[in-house]
Amino acid sequence: GAGVSQSPSNKVTEKGKDVELRCDPISGHTALYWYRQSLGQGLEFLIYFQGNSAPDKSGLPSDRFSAERTGGSVSTLTIQRTQQEDSAVYLCASSPQLANYEQYFGPGTRLTVT
Amino acid sequence: GENVEQHPSTLSVQEGDSAVIKCTYSDSASNYFPWYKQELGKRPQLIIDIRSNVGEKKDQRIAVTLNKTAKHFSLHITETQPEDSAVYFCAASEKGGTASKLTFGTGTRLQVTL
Repeated sequence: GAGVSQSPSNKVTEKGKDVELRCDPISGHTALYWYRQSLGQGLEFLIYFQGNSAPDKSGLPSDRFSAERTGGSVSTLTIQRTQQEDSAVYLCASSPQLANYEQYFGPGTRLTVT
Repeated sequence: GENVEQHPSTLSVQEGDSAVIKCTYSDSASNYFPWYKQELGKRPQLIIDIRSNVGEKKDQRIAVTLNKTAKHFSLHITETQPEDSAVYFCAASEKGGTASKLTFGTGTRLQVTL
């Protein structure tokens, strides 16, 4: 079946603009995760959703970052007033349910803030 | 929260040799430990995982060992091949709620030379 998809694949934006990144999880997966990967670095947890609720937002770097999920499916990560340090690859992952299940990653969105 | 350390950061081996990557974690409550392989420009893909009720798991040329007392786990790749060249990430799940928030190590760049 279809895997996790993300759009856009690449986004170049000017400093100060808002951006919206989209994630389509695997159908039926109830858990959805957002991570950030800076160049040559590991994966930094941002937020996860169980269904439409986000029990853990502790990884969001600042209040410029927000995310939502509707209908237990698509999620959007919004970054307001982008800064150059926001440049990174934003990865989304989904998993079937509950804890300790494999997380399937999407291809990521490469965000460049100029 | 959980802290995962990974060593070495780079590893070069000759084709056919073995490669070992080690990780330590801080939260004794963590109970799920996946390993991801990320090829250049691609998404992370799960290659093997282990749960805390198991000390070792093997899948063909790949094995993972877990020492809960010492809080460390290792990835072993035998008979390495050029296609094993990639960045490998270990991770540990932080218990909480019903979803696995993964904390990742900083990655090991494995280079398999001919």
